[in-house]
Amino acid sequence: NAGVTQTPKFQVLKTGQSMTLQCAQDMNHEYMSWYRQDPGMGLRLIHYSVGAGITDQGEVPNGYNVSRSTTEDFPLRLLSAAPSQTSVYFCASSYSGGRQETQYFGPGTRLLVL
Amino acid sequence: SQQGEEDPQALSIQEGENATMNCSYKTSINNLQWYRQNSGRGLVHLILIRSNEREKHSGRLRVTLDTSKKSSSLLITASRAADTASYFCATITQGGSEKLVFGKGTKLTVNP
Repeated sequence: NAGVTQTPKFQVLKTGQSMTLQCAQDMNHEYMSWYRQDPGMGLRLIHYSVGAGITDQGEVPNGYNVSRSTTEDFPLRLLSAAPSQTSVYFCASSYSGGRQETQYFGPGTRLLVL
Repeated sequence: SQQGEEDPQALSIQEGENATMNCSYKTSINNLQWYRQNSGRGLVHLILIRSNEREKHSGRLRVTLDTSKKSSSLLITASRAADTASYFCATITQGGSEKLVFGKGTKLTVNP
């Protein structure tokens, strides 16, 4: 199994541009989530999904959209990038939503917004 | 706001020493998890302790949970240089939320 994969590894955007961060898992996990990690802030939950077709907001959802059309994929869309969205983004998955289970993290995407 | 808060923020020890990190949280939990993050990498799950458990071991790791004090500790015994990483606690709160909330982490440096 490849586990949780994220693409791209690194991206530079200009303010106002849009882009999609890709996340895929091959473990048939129901629960997937997106976090951003900023220095001194730890990880903050952006959006999460408990299954295909179901998404919900986390702590910091503004400026981001998600969809979950398949069990495997959970893309994160930046609609109009802002410098405040410069961060490292991590996707994670687990079988039953984290309540009882281990979260498996991807390697991260480093995003720089100029 | 963050549910879990780790203490200390940074810890530097010599190889062979024990390292203790603490996590405090605010609301009642279903379980508490500890993760490790090596520099520039994703997080790796270390151990999960449920609210009805008081202590759990995994290799050189020992985790305790005190629900009356709303705190947990992670002890790494006989530390190695390879243990150098940031360590995070994460909690699932009671009440049906599916969210796993992370603290800000403790940065551990183990000097050879």
